[in-house]
Amino acid sequence: EVQLVESGGGLEQPGGSLRLSCAASGFTFSSYAMNWVRQAPGKGLEWVSGISTGGTTFYADSVEGRFAISRDNSRNTLYLQMNSLRVEDTAIYFCAKDPAVLPAAFFDSWGQGTPVTVSS
Amino acid sequence: IVLTQSPGTLSLSPGEGATLSCRASQSVNYNYLAWYQHKPGRAPRLLIYGASTRATGVPDRFSGSGSGTDFTLSISRLEPEDFALYYCQQYANAHNSPRTFGQGTKVEIK
Repeated sequence: EVQLVESGGGLEQPGGSLRLSCAASGFTFSSYAMNWVRQAPGKGLEWVSGISTGGTTFYADSVEGRFAISRDNSRNTLYLQMNSLRVEDTAIYFCAKDPAVLPAAFFDSWGQGTPVTVSS
Repeated sequence: IVLTQSPGTLSLSPGEGATLSCRASQSVNYNYLAWYQHKPGRAPRLLIYGASTRATGVPDRFSGSGSGTDFTLSISRLEPEDFALYYCQQYANAHNSPRTFGQGTKVEIK
């Protein structure tokens, strides 16, 4: 059974940094693209970032240059380094698996999410 | 591609059927459209991909249809566990532009 467990969320001030982690199990992590998707309070889902099996990264315009996605296949873990945080980055952040090697399709498995609050 | 879901909220009773709409601002190539179910505090769940293919383990009371710019998720007989939020998502040009979601339809108990 595929399991994705996010951690690292919390309260941070504007301009601060957080690092999210997603521990994966139940599938061959290195064989699939992975993503971060967020949901702001009262809003819908928004794709944030994706990474291919080969390490190619993709970002939404809203986080380009501030966030960095990475993966450690030896640890079956996905990361999201969030810098220069803004109030509008407040959201629940979900880890989501792609069904292929590139982050370009639907999301076939999701974690339960980790909450990030950016506030002074 | 902007996805617009309607209605915003559906108030129905268990056993009734539900029809959820997702309209795209431009044609979704190859019908690359997916549907998800989401309950607060839980992981979203993939229901449908390719507009009409049920994901593994999804009951056959869920069905997807449509093409081009108009897509529909139908639930034939609502079970208590089906009351949730539902989102559509397109992945038609994901190599060149971001994947986008609709704003969601809430199916609530009447």
